[in-house]
Amino acid sequence: AQTVTQSQPEMSVQEAETVTLSCTYDTSESDYYLFWYKQPPSRQMILVIRQEAYKQQNATENRFSVNFQKAAKSFSLKISDSQLGDAAMYFCAYRRTRANNDMRFGAGTRLTVKP
Amino acid sequence: EAGVAQSPRYKIIEKRQSVAFWCNPISGHATLYWYQQILGQGPKLLIQFQNNGVVDDSQLPKDRFSAERLKGVDSTLKIQPAKLEDSAVYLCASSLEGKHSNQPQHFGDGTRLSIL
Repeated sequence: AQTVTQSQPEMSVQEAETVTLSCTYDTSESDYYLFWYKQPPSRQMILVIRQEAYKQQNATENRFSVNFQKAAKSFSLKISDSQLGDAAMYFCAYRRTRANNDMRFGAGTRLTVKP
Repeated sequence: EAGVAQSPRYKIIEKRQSVAFWCNPISGHATLYWYQQILGQGPKLLIQFQNNGVVDDSQLPKDRFSAERLKGVDSTLKIQPAKLEDSAVYLCASSLEGKHSNQPQHFGDGTRLSIL
C-alpha cells in the first residue's frame, strides 16, 4: 500500500521569507506522480505543483518549487517570498500511473504566514 | 471555465437518517471522484468514475454508502443510514484524464456533513 507522510502538522513563516514543507511516501512502484495541493480556509483544493517520478529535474511554478529525492522517497515543497495569501493547509499527494490510479493524500501541514 | 459545483454546502442530520450530495463536474471531464475528508486528515478516495462506469470503489463502505453517475456527467453520493463517524467534508473532484494520466484534479467546495 502507498502511504504519504507529512511530519509537520503546523508551520509558520514570516512574510517574504522562505519555508519548506516536508513529505515522504512509501511505494514499490518506479513510475508515479507526486502533487502538492493547497486548501485555503474556503476549502477548495487547488493544485500547486506536480512532479513526474521519471523526471529528474525538480518542478518549479513561480515561487513554488520542489525537492524531489526519488531514492529517499522525499518530496518537499519550498515556498519563496511567502505571501499572506499562501496561508492554507498544504497536502502532499501520491498517485500511481497504472490502472485504478487513486490519489493518496498526506494528513496535511497548516501554514501560517506572519505579517 | 466553471468549476466543480457541489450542493448542499452544509448538511446537518441525525444518526440513522439518510443524506445525499450532488456534484456537477467541469464540462468535458470524464473522470469524477468523491472524497471524504475527516477533520484534521487528508482527503480519502471513496469512489472514482470514468464516464458512467466505476473505476475504483474499494474504499467505499458499501453497506451504507452508494454513488451513481448515470449519464456520465452529474453524480450523487448517498449515505443511508448515517453514523456519527460519517461527519466529514465530502469533496467532489473531476479531471480530463483517462486511465493513465497526470492530469490535475479540480475540486469543488465540498459539503460539510454533521451528524448529531
